[in-house]
Amino acid sequence: ILNVEQSPQSLHVQEGDSTNFTCSFPSSNFYALHWYRWETAKSPEALFVMTLNGDEKKKGRISATLNTKEGYSYLYIKGSQPEDSATYLCAFMSGTYKYIFGTGTRLKVLA
Amino acid sequence: NAGVTQTPKFRVLKTGQSMTLLCAQDMNHEYMYWYRQDPGMGLRLIHYSVGEGTTAKGEVPDGYNVSRLKKQNFLLGLESAAPSQTSVYFCASSSGLAGVIEQFFGPGTRLTVL
Repeated sequence: ILNVEQSPQSLHVQEGDSTNFTCSFPSSNFYALHWYRWETAKSPEALFVMTLNGDEKKKGRISATLNTKEGYSYLYIKGSQPEDSATYLCAFMSGTYKYIFGTGTRLKVLA
Repeated sequence: NAGVTQTPKFRVLKTGQSMTLLCAQDMNHEYMYWYRQDPGMGLRLIHYSVGEGTTAKGEVPDGYNVSRLKKQNFLLGLESAAPSQTSVYFCASSSGLAGVIEQFFGPGTRLTVL
């Protein structure tokens, strides 16, 4: 059974702090890794789609890196703002049209 | 564009009742997915479709059926609802080559089975 783990499960940071969290996935049969941002009472929205080992993606203050050989991806948020408060999901795809989602990291940014 | 819409938003069923959840997308996407979200668990794939007229089982297909008669619609059916099917159901769609294109999610349907 393929397993995707995210850590930490939740964290609180102060406004202006930088933070990062981890998505761990099987290192074999890698096809793609997605990061989604999920605000309460809304739908998950895509942040990044990563397909190549060593990929680095950036969108504003948020960036992500990918290591397919060791099976992990990091998501970084620089200078966290209250509007960054959300659950951040990663989803691993092993080439069979199926995504395996992690349980998410719940981020709360305190003003 | 409305994106991905789901009908209904909320529903309460009694054990043994049946219902159909409708997912519609106006982005001309080939791929559509049904997930369920339960506390403490990641989104789990129920069924998916890679094109009109096709469906396939996901991770947790038991107790559900699906149909994709039209490209824009993906229906999820519960023939005989059970309390274990109490969950929040999300539909998603994507275009192009699955995996390298992100999924777009609907707003979810909260289903309670008594």
